[in-house]
Amino acid sequence: DTGVSQNPRHKITKRGQNVTFRCDPISEHNRLYWYRQTLGQGPEFLTYFQNEAQLEKSRLLSDRFSAERPKGSFSTLEIQRTEQGDSAMYLCASSRAGTPSEAFFGQGTRLTVV
Amino acid sequence: AQSVTQLGSHVSVSEGALVLLRCNYSSSVPPYLFWYVQYPNQGLQLLLKYTSAATLVKGINGFEAEFKKSETSFHLTKPSAHMSDAAEYFCAVSWSTNAGKSTFGDGTTLTVKP
Repeated sequence: DTGVSQNPRHKITKRGQNVTFRCDPISEHNRLYWYRQTLGQGPEFLTYFQNEAQLEKSRLLSDRFSAERPKGSFSTLEIQRTEQGDSAMYLCASSRAGTPSEAFFGQGTRLTVV
Repeated sequence: AQSVTQLGSHVSVSEGALVLLRCNYSSSVPPYLFWYVQYPNQGLQLLLKYTSAATLVKGINGFEAEFKKSETSFHLTKPSAHMSDAAEYFCAVSWSTNAGKSTFGDGTTLTVKP
């Protein structure tokens, strides 16, 4: 088990384009989280899944953002019609269910919108 | 609103000196608390966690933190800094039983001088 894996590590896109990121969690973890981190700030919670169900979404997750976890394993985060303000590091994390179980983070996908 | 405050965005110490990174949270209800470390262009690595057991928590790489309910604080310390400790440190708090969903502070960058 190599931990949480995110792809791609870096993405540069033009404003208005759509982008999709992938996260593969630790295999026995049934909870998966997406966070966004902008320069000089700590990660901010976006959404989380338990198995395939998306149980919570932050108000930071605008209508242009959608996340899926179709079979309860890997997850994708799509941003439609990207804006320069979307430039950030997108972090994925996973954890076991049960209390308490901390999150294990991937290395992140750095998005730059030009 | 629930919040996490890290006092001092930058801390500089000499190699071998005491490291003290401060973290305060807004609620008096004992939550789960974590310290993570982040190296450049990497994800977050868990240093230690408090989960309602002993108030003095020992973590990896010689770090420890003390939970003080009356002060709503969870400061991170290390008796003797090493050059390899230079990184960004984040305090995170979870106010729910889902410890993977956390509110992060804005981070403290630790510089270690030779």
